[in-house]
Amino acid sequence: DSGVTQTPKHLITATGQRVTLRCSPRSGDLSVYWYQQSLDQGLQFLIQYYNGEERAKGNILERFSAQQFPDLHSELNLSSLELGDSALYFCASSVEGLAGVVYNEQFFGPGTRLTVL
Amino acid sequence: KNQVEQSPQSLIILEGKNCTLQCNYTVSPFSNLRWYKQDTGRGPVSLTIMTFSENTKSNGRYTATLDADTKQSSLHITASQLSDSASYICVVSRSGGSYIPTFGRGTSLIVHP
Repeated sequence: DSGVTQTPKHLITATGQRVTLRCSPRSGDLSVYWYQQSLDQGLQFLIQYYNGEERAKGNILERFSAQQFPDLHSELNLSSLELGDSALYFCASSVEGLAGVVYNEQFFGPGTRLTVL
Repeated sequence: KNQVEQSPQSLIILEGKNCTLQCNYTVSPFSNLRWYKQDTGRGPVSLTIMTFSENTKSNGRYTATLDADTKQSSLHITASQLSDSASYICVVSRSGGSYIPTFGRGTSLIVHP
């Protein structure tokens, strides 16, 4: 158990819908990262938040957005869902996350499996 | 273009044997290289993190090496166990500015009894 929790574990929805994935980081970790893992693309970095502020942006689509709340939990919002959005979505957390300095170990949650029908 | 290539794509070995997984990268400027182990359907677990100045790092039966000149890394697994069956992913991050990781596609390792 990494100490990172993600809900829900599974999510099945239809094209065009909107869903919200939730992540609670390890106690004391200020940085939260979101990743997408699909069979054809492998793991891809989406976005990082540090203490409530966006720190880094990866291959995140405009239809996707995220935020980190004052209690440090984070949500990833996916809208206008397409079949190709079906994937495992992971959240990870780490202690530090200052721009350009990411040496500390990242702890991954168990993931949310999203299926878009 | 920043890329991370892993080989082999898949590997089958017998329990107790050693194996070595390779990671070649073109990511520049280099910040750090990580090896992760991912069991099917679960989140990746960090094995090692190496910066430019580190050549070798061990974590139990896992030993990672880094040659920053040739931009190559390897992960050596000693005395393999059935529980080592998993995907091993190499991730290289760029330095300067924000966090920018590039992921390899992973090596799928199967350890047979």
